[in-house]
Amino acid sequence: GQNIDQPTEMTATEGAIVQINCTYQTSGFNGLFWYQQHAGEAPTFLSYNVLDGLEEKGRFSSFLSRSKGYSYLLLKELQMKDSASYLCAVVDSNYQLIWGAGTKLIIKP
Amino acid sequence: ETGVTQTPRHLVMGMTNKKSLKCEQHLGHNAMYWYKQSAKKPLELMFVYSLEERVENNSVPSRFSPECPNSSHLFLHLHTLQPEDSALYLCASSRATGSPADTQYFGPGTRLTVL
Repeated sequence: GQNIDQPTEMTATEGAIVQINCTYQTSGFNGLFWYQQHAGEAPTFLSYNVLDGLEEKGRFSSFLSRSKGYSYLLLKELQMKDSASYLCAVVDSNYQLIWGAGTKLIIKP
Repeated sequence: ETGVTQTPRHLVMGMTNKKSLKCEQHLGHNAMYWYKQSAKKPLELMFVYSLEERVENNSVPSRFSPECPNSSHLFLHLHTLQPEDSALYLCASSRATGSPADTQYFGPGTRLTVL
């Protein structure tokens, strides 16, 4: 079967750095997405990785290791508005998105 | 703004009611999707439309009936639902299907409660 694993919940402090991990086992791999979803709102696109390595976008970075079936989302200089759920999704061999259950990130002052 | 709107935002219905969810995208996309999101569970893909043709139906019960009259509008018709169907129903669109890097853009969802 296909499986995406993420921690259910994480807590971090304002101004700090947090890393949200995602491991996957899928039939094929055609890229990995990270989305952010604030409570009661639409998921919004953060990043797409298809090659190994780190991609940086401002305070957010996403890393991929295809050989390890592993990705992480790194959030720096945390702000209260970063409190949200972070969804990991893998594009499988049929170009379907396989979703993780999401990681709820709680930021404390 | 994501360019994808959904109405209503909240819906409470009894098991014998018939209601419809509406989604509209203003992004010029050719593909549209219905997802079900339940607490602490992965997004479940329900239906996919490409150029108004249904291309995916992931074994969804017949009490959910989609309709795509044009590439900008998508409906989900609901009838004789069960309490376990209570969830957030998300609509999304993308430029096309079958392209791995195509980002899906989501609407804010309809929070459905079935009594």
